Amino acid sequence: EIVLTQSPGTLSLSPGERATLSCRASQSVDSTYLVWYQQKPGQAPRLLIYGASNRATGIPDRFSGSGSGTDFTLTISRLDPEDFAVYYCQRYGSLPLTFGGGTKVEIK
Amino acid sequence: QLQESGPGLVKPSETLSLTCSVSGGSITSFYWNWIRQPPGKGLEWIGFTHHTGATSYNPSLNSRVTTSVDTSKNQVSLNLISVTAADTAVYYCARWSESVKAFDVWGQGTMVTVSS
Repeated sequence: EIVLTQSPGTLSLSPGERATLSCRASQSVDSTYLVWYQQKPGQAPRLLIYGASNRATGIPDRFSGSGSGTDFTLTISRLDPEDFAVYYCQRYGSLPLTFGGGTKVEIK
Repeated sequence: QLQESGPGLVKPSETLSLTCSVSGGSITSFYWNWIRQPPGKGLEWIGFTHHTGATSYNPSLNSRVTTSVDTSKNQVSLNLISVTAADTAVYYCARWSESVKAFDVWGQGTMVTVSS
């Protein structure tokens, strides 16, 4: 099973600041199958980024994804108040499909 | 649109049964997944099912889980046997999109508590 490790566990930032979230895989991941989701309290996750770097429909361009192999990054260029949430990376390509443990972006 | 439904409380050792009602799209065009989230914790993929009968499950649950698609009712079902308190979680139904290779539509989730 490929394990995804997200860091940091919690990121404390102010609105307007830049957020950089890391997702590291225990084995190389096909970028086609690396995905990022946003989850707010009491809500289902929402698709943000697919294929490591493609924004899903309706996602603002302040969100960007990058990376390859075992290291992937989600960047939020300028935090908007609505961006404070938990972010999960997820991979497929081989079973079982796995999620990272999540990074919480909280207001400082 | 996806809508999960089922009992909110299940007794230990019994079977957890949930249904996901699919509307606004073709149930035969996608793989349907179940994902769960224990309170305060992360996401765990349970498995997927397709209208052809194809399934795949997380090895951590493989021996206890079954899923299926009922095209006549536009529903996807999940059965998890021999539940324990560790199965307490919010259970989500999610659609896998082959075009983006991700879960592009999620249900709102349903909380299931395992307790006597």
